[in-house]
Amino acid sequence: AQSVAQPEDQVNVAEGNPLTVKCTYSVSGNPYLFWYVQYPNRGLQFLLKYITGDNLVKGSYGFEAEFNKSQTSFHLKKPSALVSDSALYFCAVRDPSGAGSYQLTFGKGTKLSVIP
Amino acid sequence: DSGVTQTPKHLITATGQRVTLRCSPRSGDLSVYWYQQSLDQGLQFLIQYYNGEERAKGNILERFSAQQFPDLHSELNLSSLELGDSALYFCASSPTRDRPGELFFGEGSRLTVL
Repeated sequence: AQSVAQPEDQVNVAEGNPLTVKCTYSVSGNPYLFWYVQYPNRGLQFLLKYITGDNLVKGSYGFEAEFNKSQTSFHLKKPSALVSDSALYFCAVRDPSGAGSYQLTFGKGTKLSVIP
Repeated sequence: DSGVTQTPKHLITATGQRVTLRCSPRSGDLSVYWYQQSLDQGLQFLIQYYNGEERAKGNILERFSAQQFPDLHSELNLSSLELGDSALYFCASSPTRDRPGELFFGEGSRLTVL
């Protein structure tokens, strides 16, 4: 079965510094990988995805993620953090057995705190 | 605003009771997904419907059931409620074809079982 690991429960970064939120995955076949963000008392919002093509994927709000097949990783990055980036970030992988379905398996989430 | 509407936003009930959560997907989206978010289990996929038919099933208990109606809204029914069913229940819809994998989540229904 597919799985996603987010090794850090919390990441603290100073405003203006680069940020990285880590994600590793395990899935049979070609991975479909996603990042979502959840602000307090809100639903999840799609940030970006990797399905095929360029290993560096650009998404919303200046975020990007790098797919590394050999390390089975899909880390989320941003060159300069904003206080407004503080939120809960989820990495997810599509269940490859779900033909026609985008049933996602989510990691446990990483709380990002950007310190002014 | 994701365009996905969930009601009620908050619900408090007692053990053994039954509740119904409702979801209206984004206009034009045929797929509806239900997820449960709790502190100990994280986000768990429950079930997916596509154009009225069940498409995929996850960790959904037998006490739970769902359906999608002809107007594409969906309902999640939770019965014989237990304390451990307290959680945030999310509905998400997906355009499927032109933006595969991009789920649009509602703001959730927070269920508290006392």
